[in-house]
Amino acid sequence: QLQLQESGPGLVKPSETLSLTCTVSGGSISSSSYYWGWIRQPPGKGLEWIGSIYYSGSTYYNPSLKSRVTISVDTSKNQFSLKLSSVTAADTAVYYCARHLIVVVPAAISGTNNWFDPWGQGTLVTVSS
Amino acid sequence: QSVLTQPPSASGTPGQRVTISCSGSSSNIGSNYVYWYQQLPGTAPKLLIYSNNQRPSGVPDRFSGSKSGTSASLAISGLRSEDEADYYCAAWDDSLSVVFGGGTKLTVL
Repeated sequence: QLQLQESGPGLVKPSETLSLTCTVSGGSISSSSYYWGWIRQPPGKGLEWIGSIYYSGSTYYNPSLKSRVTISVDTSKNQFSLKLSSVTAADTAVYYCARHLIVVVPAAISGTNNWFDPWGQGTLVTVSS
Repeated sequence: QSVLTQPPSASGTPGQRVTISCSGSSSNIGSNYVYWYQQLPGTAPKLLIYSNNQRPSGVPDRFSGSKSGTSASLAISGLRSEDEADYYCAAWDDSLSVVFGGGTKLTVL
């Protein structure tokens, strides 16, 4: 059974870079068809997609965060990572990693399929001095 | 401000049927599939409905999804206390991004 586990510092200072790693077990991160994504949820608020990466390094990023986000993959360790630079208190959130299926298909045919499953348990990152 | 619009709350009594709406635009729901996630208190979200109306293995058939134009709905029939959770809709947007709804908190009275 595929499992994902987030790890990284729970406290980051303002203006610094948030770094998290997601370790995948029970399956290979190099599986074809699947991307690997990061999603966050500020306390008491909704979900926000951050970005996703394929094992080859191909990425999709949320346009609103793209200038501050870098997602990378290490297939030898079956891990992928998130870096978010210049953080502020607004970046305080539970950060989730998840397997992300993306099948881009023109709307004239059927439209793009994409879903997150399974998810990691999430890790709270607080931005504070 | 979420790209997809959901009512912030919904409620029902045990056994009732409840629906949750999700409104988008031509660049997301109107041209791509819709997904629904269930987030039980204190846990990570879980895929509930994929490709507009398909249920992953293990999801009861009390949960159903539908889509029409730029809107979608999640219906829960035979409401149970364990259905009390936050529900999120999501879709791919043609700007090459994933968009979520703001979430609907379902209360079972």
